[in-house]
Amino acid sequence: DSGVTQTPKHLITATGQRVTLRCSPRSGDLSVYWYQQSLDQGLQFLIQYYNGEERAKGNILERFSAQQFPDLHSELNLSSLELGDSALYFCASSVLTSGVDTQYFGPGTRLTVL
Amino acid sequence: GENVEQHPSTLSVQEGDSAVIKCTYSDSASNYFPWYKQELGKRPQLIIDIRSNVGEKKDQRIAVTLNKTAKHFSLHITETQPEDSAVYFCAASRMDGGSQGNLIFGKGTKLSVKP
Repeated sequence: DSGVTQTPKHLITATGQRVTLRCSPRSGDLSVYWYQQSLDQGLQFLIQYYNGEERAKGNILERFSAQQFPDLHSELNLSSLELGDSALYFCASSVLTSGVDTQYFGPGTRLTVL
Repeated sequence: GENVEQHPSTLSVQEGDSAVIKCTYSDSASNYFPWYKQELGKRPQLIIDIRSNVGEKKDQRIAVTLNKTAKHFSLHITETQPEDSAVYFCAASRMDGGSQGNLIFGKGTKLSVKP
């Protein structure tokens, strides 16, 4: 168990809908990263938050947004869902250890869009 | 941006043999290279990592080597066991002294260890 929690574990929804995925980082970790894992694209970085502020953006679609709250938990919002958005969504939190930002992954949320 | 290539995509070995997975990266500014193991339906788990100021790092049966000049790094697993069967991902990132460490992953290697 990495100490990173994600809810829900599974989510099944229809095209056009909107969903929210939640992530609670390990105690003391200030950074939260979101990654998407699909069969054809592998693990892709979406977005990073550090202590409530957006720090870096990757291949995140405009239909997706995220935020990190004062208690450091983060939410990833996916809207106007398409079939291709079906994937595993992981968040990771990190602690700076000897100058290295070691990332620990949560169990993931499996999103199925029908 | 950074691009990470990983080979092979699948690897099958006999129990007790060694396994080697290779990755190349494109951004010479990348300075941190972790390896993750992912079992089916589970989260990626960090198994070993290396920084660019080190050429090799070992942890029991697992070792990672880095060649900065050639921009490639490799994972070596010795005396493989059936429980080593999983998908292994290499990744690269740039640590700038802040926490801008988003990982760019390779496509993964599915390792099968046959008893």
